[in-house]
Amino acid sequence: NAGVTQTPKFRVLKTGQSMTLLCAQDMNHEYMYWYRQDPGMGLRLIHYSVGEGTTAKGEVPDGYNVSRLKKQNFLLGLESAAPSQTSVYFCASSYPLSSQYFGPGTRLTVT
Amino acid sequence: KNEVEQSPQNLTAQEGEFITINCSYSVGISALHWLQQHPGGGIVSLFMLSSGKKKHGRLIATINIQEKHSSLHITASHPRDSAVYICAVRSGNTGNQFYFGTGTSLTVIP
Repeated sequence: NAGVTQTPKFRVLKTGQSMTLLCAQDMNHEYMYWYRQDPGMGLRLIHYSVGEGTTAKGEVPDGYNVSRLKKQNFLLGLESAAPSQTSVYFCASSYPLSSQYFGPGTRLTVT
Repeated sequence: KNEVEQSPQNLTAQEGEFITINCSYSVGISALHWLQQHPGGGIVSLFMLSSGKKKHGRLIATINIQEKHSSLHITASHPRDSAVYICAVRSGNTGNQFYFGTGTSLTVIP
């Protein structure tokens, strides 16, 4: 039982490049979330999903896209990376209205 | 605008001390969560509260819905409690949006 996993753990991108972050969970959770964490700020919700095939915008969705084609996976895409997207990204999953389980995080640097 | 405010931002304690971390929020909520972020970055959920009080080992969490305030207490603190403690609220409107405090960095000195 791996819980919530994220790949990759680290990545360096040049401005304008694209990439996809993968989140996978093996707990059969309906809900999945993508957050970013920046120094001096709390975690901020980027996008979330309440079930396979459904996604919704969070607090800071601009510059990101997501997909939830399978219940266990939630993908976060950056189409054209910008230095402002340098951050640590966390994925989380949960049952409805329940505690979240977090992945280990992905440290992304955009130069 | 900060929907969730925590205090203090930083806290240093001697081993064995009783510790209190406070959280105030300004939005309607369906639940409040306390999280622990270890120095290595991993985040663990400690409590989920919608009323009253919960206890797990040396940790106690309380919430006052009328005052929109919660506290996390650590009794008999230990160096392994050193971490960042984060308060988060689940929005009452849809139940799908979370708002997070900036965290309280706790260092417990032996």
